[in-house]
Amino acid sequence: DAGITQSPRHKVTETGTPVTLRCHQTENHRYMYWYRQDPGHGLRLIHYSYGVKDTDKGEVSDGYSVSRSKTEDFLLTLESATSSQTSVYFCATRLAGDTQETQYFGPGTRLLVL
Amino acid sequence: AQKVTQAQTEISVVEKEDVTLDCVYETRDTTYYLFWYKQPPSGELVFLIRRNSFDEQNEISGRYSWNFQKSTSSFNFTITASQVVDSAVYFCALSEGAQKLVFGQGTRLTINP
Repeated sequence: DAGITQSPRHKVTETGTPVTLRCHQTENHRYMYWYRQDPGHGLRLIHYSYGVKDTDKGEVSDGYSVSRSKTEDFLLTLESATSSQTSVYFCATRLAGDTQETQYFGPGTRLLVL
Repeated sequence: AQKVTQAQTEISVVEKEDVTLDCVYETRDTTYYLFWYKQPPSGELVFLIRRNSFDEQNEISGRYSWNFQKSTSSFNFTITASQVVDSAVYFCALSEGAQKLVFGQGTRLTINP
């Protein structure tokens, strides 16, 4: 498994404030992903990255932006948090050239927007 | 569009019973991958198995087994002689190309002592 950490692990914030979540990996995996988990929806892809400075949108990208300035870090930013963004956020990574395409997940960040 | 359906929202069984979690998928791709992940009460997502679309051979790992049938677009997961530690939410997922996983809604499995 990739060594994946997420910070913070828990956060409470107020509507309208900016929030940045960090995903850090130590395995030099090329691909990184941000998902959100909500009851009844499983996990849904927000954004992903296929290399440094290379990112693209996922299924539920509205209200989120990402940045990847180095291989090991992938940041997810909520520019102006809303209550609908209360969720558990998971980061995942995948090794380029892994033909089995397995994604490994971080421990998750629980975000509450009041 | 690709879709994964886990029709069983919650399952509750008594310890030592066998239990099967259903997963049905939809895809137009001829090459795809299927996965099962476990999410125990602690919240992390644990990878259990992957299968590619060209390999329909069933797999057994200890008390866990997986049945992949392309004819019915199903990838079911069976736990034999269930234990309390198997209590978790289980997710089935489908790989869409090389970029993302499409998840089912999850099945919450409770094993009662």
